[in-house]
Amino acid sequence: DVKVTQSSRYLVKRTGEKVFLECVQDMDHENMFWYRQDPGLGLRLIYFSYDVKMKEKGDIPEGYSVSREKKERFSLILESASTNQTSMYLCASSHGTSGRGTDTQYFGPGTRLTVL
Amino acid sequence: GQNIDQPTEMTATEGAIVQINCTYQTSGFNGLFWYQQHAGEAPTFLSYNVLDGLEEKGRFSSFLSRSKGYSYLLLKELQMKDSASYLCAPLDSNYQLIWGAGTKLIIKP
Repeated sequence: DVKVTQSSRYLVKRTGEKVFLECVQDMDHENMFWYRQDPGLGLRLIYFSYDVKMKEKGDIPEGYSVSREKKERFSLILESASTNQTSMYLCASSHGTSGRGTDTQYFGPGTRLTVL
Repeated sequence: GQNIDQPTEMTATEGAIVQINCTYQTSGFNGLFWYQQHAGEAPTFLSYNVLDGLEEKGRFSSFLSRSKGYSYLLLKELQMKDSASYLCAPLDSNYQLIWGAGTKLIIKP
């Protein structure tokens, strides 16, 4: 079974803090994704990566950055957390090249981040 | 623009059948996924359709009409554990998933 793990289930940070969210997958997938999920809205793509050290902006990259130094690990960074970044953050991975393809995305359990 | 439309919430009775509809408008189309998401948990894959028609997988079936921009998920013999949100997500021309807000399905005994 594919396993995607995220570093924390719940996180509380203060405005202005730097926040790191980590995601690790164990299936040698090429593609990795970071989404946020807010009530009443669909999942919104923040960034994705289709290879080590490669990254592409999604629909809402502002206020976020990412790092992919190893194939299995994809980190989301909030440089200076703000209250409007309070959300559920979901990481996903899929097989395939260049972030494309019709392969199923497998999700981690999510991190519920609260910024005070 | 790209748009996904699903009912916000539906209620059904244990043992019954329910159909969750999804209409979409996307820039290009490369198939459509359905995911299930229990409260507080990760979405999990249910189905993928790229050709018109019905695909059956146990108690769950998914239908696609590309010309109408329409899909539905059919759940039969409903069980209490089917209480969850169901997310419709077409793939656009860039192979990016466009996610609907999801339909919260409540199953009553």
